[in-house]
Formats: sequence, structure tokens, C-alpha cells
Amino acid sequence: DVKVTQSSRYLVKRTGEKVFLECVQDMDHENMFWYRQDPGLGLRLIYFSYDVKMKEKGDIPEGYSVSREKKERFSLILESASTNQTSMYLCASRRGQGGQPQHFGDGTRLSIL
Amino acid sequence: RKEVEQDPGPFNVPEGATVAFNCTYSNSASQSFFWYRQDCRKEPKLLMSVYSSGNEDGRFTAQLNRASQYISLLIRDSKLSDSATYLCVVNSGDTGRRALTFGSGTRLQVQP
Repeated sequence: DVKVTQSSRYLVKRTGEKVFLECVQDMDHENMFWYRQDPGLGLRLIYFSYDVKMKEKGDIPEGYSVSREKKERFSLILESASTNQTSMYLCASRRGQGGQPQHFGDGTRLSIL
Repeated sequence: RKEVEQDPGPFNVPEGATVAFNCTYSNSASQSFFWYRQDCRKEPKLLMSVYSSGNEDGRFTAQLNRASQYISLLIRDSKLSDSATYLCVVNSGDTGRRALTFGSGTRLQVQP
């Protein structure tokens, strides 16, 4: 069974802090993704990666960066946290291309005060 | 127009009822389709893939209509535990590296 693990379920940070969200998957998946989910807006893609050290912007990359130094780990970085980045953050991974489903981690509820 | 559109609901149905959700997608090149289920404050979980010929998994039936660009999910004999948000998911059919596109979800509330 696929396991996608996010480092924290709940996180509270202050405006201006640099925030790291970590995600690890144990199924040797090539593709990894970061989303945020807000009421009424659904899932929005922030960044994704299809290989080690490769990354592509999603639909809302502003204010975020990512790092994929190892295949199993994909980190999301909030360079200078702002209150509008308070959200549920979901990491996902997927094998190969095209027809495979994505598997999600439990999510991190991030509050920026 | 959104790439993937769903009626947000909520659909309020009694236990034992049959309920159906539709979802339309805009990219005719889309190749892969899924239904996910998301419980309140939890992550989305794969419910079932949707195949061209239609497929069934217990009380759940998924169908694809490429000509009209929609997929459907039918739930028979609804249970209280079916209460959740159901997300329609589409792969746009490019290189495949792109993430899947998620609809905003249809909320189902099954009542005793």
C-alpha cells in the first residue's frame, strides 16, 4: 500500500517566518505534488516534480518554492509566510505518467498568525 | 470555463437511496478519469478509476461519456458512511507529467 507521509498534521507559524513542509513517499514514485485546499476553492496545485532536482510551477506558485534532492522527499518552502497562506497543504505522489492515480498524505493544517 | 466542473451540492438523500453525480470536463484530449472521496478535514482518497466501458465496484458504478465529455458516479443503497465530498478527477492527456485536475467536489449527506 502506498504511504505518503507529511511531517506535521498541524503547524502554527508567524508572519515573515520561513516555513518548511516535508513530504516523504515510500513507493519509489517519480512524480510528487504539493497542493493547497481552501473552502470553496478546491485543490490548487502549487508545484510538482517529475524527477529528482526537477520542478515545475503549478497554478499558484507565488510565495512558495520547492526542493527535491531525493526521489522519496519533496519539500515545500514558504519563503516569508503571510496570513493568506493559512491553509490545508496536501502532498501527493504518483507512479509514472498518464493513467495512474495520485496518492495523498494526511495533510498539514498550517496557520500563519 | 473550469477544466472540471461538478455540482457542489449538497445532495441530501435518505439511507438506501440511489444517488448519481455528474462531472463535465473541457479538454477532449483527457485520457484518464478517477473519482476520489474526501471526508471532512481529511485527505482525498481514491474511490475508483473510470474506464471507457464503465466499471462497477460493489455499490458504486462509474461511467464515461467521451462524446459529451462527462463522467458519472452512481451510488446504490446509500449508507450513512457514504457521507463525504466526491471529487471528479481528470488527467488532461499531455505528457502525463502534469498533475491531475480536480473538480471542486460534490458533497453528499446521507440521512437516517
